[in-house]
Amino acid sequence: DTEVTQTPKHLVMGMTNKKSLKCEQHMGHRAMYWYKQKAKKPPELMFVYSYEKLSINESVPSRFSPECPNSSLLNLHLHALQPEDSALYLCASSLFQGRNSYEQYFGPGTRLTVT
Amino acid sequence: AQSVTQLGSHVSVSEGALVLLRCNYSSSVPPYLFWYVQYPNQGLQLLLKYTSAATLVKGINGFEAEFKKSETSFHLTKPSAHMSDAAEYFCAVSGKDTGFQKLVFGTGTRLLVSP
Repeated sequence: DTEVTQTPKHLVMGMTNKKSLKCEQHMGHRAMYWYKQKAKKPPELMFVYSYEKLSINESVPSRFSPECPNSSLLNLHLHALQPEDSALYLCASSLFQGRNSYEQYFGPGTRLTVT
Repeated sequence: AQSVTQLGSHVSVSEGALVLLRCNYSSSVPPYLFWYVQYPNQGLQLLLKYTSAATLVKGINGFEAEFKKSETSFHLTKPSAHMSDAAEYFCAVSGKDTGFQKLVFGTGTRLLVSP
């Protein structure tokens, strides 16, 4: 099973709302990622978790709060977002082993609209 | 720093024609290189990867890419285009310079296939 699942598929939220995106994988991968993708642009890395610990934060605003409760789950908590945060949010996972780079498997994404 | 450049934001081919999508990389150390495809409103799907095992890499859906160190290139080819190949294609690099967990994407190439 090489599937990464994401829920919800679509999300519309107001600027004062709090919502969460969820990502799940059962491939035994110990690295999980959040990306943001604007229209007609490549994905931009936001966060990386390695063995459930935050290892990379690409200077993302604090209104985005990641969480990795266990090795299969990754959440992204959203609060007080701005309209410019509207984008496709992609989750990915990969093997993790020190000084090697492994392919990342992407989920289908959550299309977020901030009104 | 490692980076990739994709020449041509749009490539148009006729069904049955050769597909050639260009990717040039910049890296001071041996890179890991990847090609991903993204269909509208979907996540990214791995087509193939180069990890120094072989310079000619075969991927899914009939795609292949050749690593040419002398030209710092990793172009994606397919002998005969199908209508279903119409999508956005991203070349990506990772390795020691970027961090083994970081994928640095090119700007993408949209492949258009006409009947």
